[in-house]
Amino acid sequence: DSGVTQTPKHLITATGQRVTLRCSPRSGDLSVYWYQQSLDQGLQFLIQYYNGEERAKGNILERFSAQQFPDLHSELNLSSLELGDSALYFCASSVGEALFGELFFGEGSRLTVL
Amino acid sequence: AQKVTQAQTEISVVEKEDVTLDCVYETRDTTYYLFWYKQPPSGELVFLIRRNSFDEQNEISGRYSWNFQKSTSSFNFTITASQVVDSAVYFCALSEARGFGNEKLTFGTGTRLTIIP
Repeated sequence: DSGVTQTPKHLITATGQRVTLRCSPRSGDLSVYWYQQSLDQGLQFLIQYYNGEERAKGNILERFSAQQFPDLHSELNLSSLELGDSALYFCASSVGEALFGELFFGEGSRLTVL
Repeated sequence: AQKVTQAQTEISVVEKEDVTLDCVYETRDTTYYLFWYKQPPSGELVFLIRRNSFDEQNEISGRYSWNFQKSTSSFNFTITASQVVDSAVYFCALSEARGFGNEKLTFGTGTRLTIIP
């Protein structure tokens, strides 16, 4: 158990809909990262937050947004969903802002868009 | 731009055999970090090792060992006396240490390792 909690574990929705994925980092970790794992794109970095502020941005679509709240949990919002958004979405956390240590990954949220 | 290549898509070996997973990386930075993660069938990503670019010492942890060679930009992972529980997808990853505000892991495409009992 990494200590990172993601909900929901599974989600099935239709094209055009909007979903919110939630992540609670390990106790004491200030950085939260979101990754998308799909069959064709592999593991892609989406975005990083540190103590409530956006710190790094990767291949995140404009239809996607994220935020980190004062209690350090984070949410990833996916809107106008398309079939291609079906993937496993991972949240990870780390102690510091800089990626010098290990990332602790949650079990992922599997999104299926029909 | 940084890139990680895991040329072996799938490997199958019989239990107790040794197996090496290859990882080749590209980066323009002199300071960077390399990682290996394991993704078992349950789906979570499990951290195995981190190595910084200034530390070329090989590392051994039980049945696992890692060979880092800057000259060939490789960071290979060997499992000795493989076991069925080693069956998983293994990812190599690279992070360039750019300081605050620009850290991300770039993952390879993974190698699916199957240990046959």
